[in-house]
Amino acid sequence: AQSVTQPDIHITVSEGASLELRCNYSYGATPYLFWYVQSPGQGLQLLLKYFSGDTLVQGIKGFEAEFKRSQSSFNLRKPSVHWSDAAEYFCAVGSSGTYKYIFGTGTRLKVLA
Amino acid sequence: EAQVTQNPRYLITVTGKKLTVTCSQNMNHEYMSWYRQDPGLGLRQIYYSMNVEVTDKGDVPEGYKVSRKEKRNFPLILESPSPNQTSLYFCASSLGLAGGLYEQYFGPGTRLTVT
Repeated sequence: AQSVTQPDIHITVSEGASLELRCNYSYGATPYLFWYVQSPGQGLQLLLKYFSGDTLVQGIKGFEAEFKRSQSSFNLRKPSVHWSDAAEYFCAVGSSGTYKYIFGTGTRLKVLA
Repeated sequence: EAQVTQNPRYLITVTGKKLTVTCSQNMNHEYMSWYRQDPGLGLRQIYYSMNVEVTDKGDVPEGYKVSRKEKRNFPLILESPSPNQTSLYFCASSLGLAGGLYEQYFGPGTRLTVT
């Protein structure tokens, strides 16, 4: 069965520091992978997605993610965090065989000034 | 402006009183879906629809109904709400032409409290 694991519930970083949010998935075929961000009181916004090809994908707001098939991971990174990046981040996998999506439990990011 | 709208945004109701949360999208998307978000559990898919009159269960469909009579609308119906359905609900849509290939566009959410 498909699953998505985000092992870090909370992460705190200082403004200007680098960031990596972890995401591991379980899926039999090539997954379609997504990262979404949810600002307080808002809906979810797509940051980036991976379907095929280059395993390093660039997204909005300076985020990038790397697909590593051997590790079943799709970690999100940003070289320098801004205070406005404080939010909750969700990793998700879409199935190529069905129309179902599975989301991780989310990682809440706190940014210290 | 391309968007997914939900109404109401906030709702407090009592156990057993039927309610409907509406969802509408103006992007001509085939695929629409409902999720509930609970602390520590992330987003869980309730129902989804691949096109008009085509719906299927997600991971947590118990206690919910949906219908898709028009492409743009996908209402979520709770016929007899219970306190364990207190949650934050999101509607989403996507092109959905190839399974889970496309990103989803989310509505602003509906916070439901059942007492």
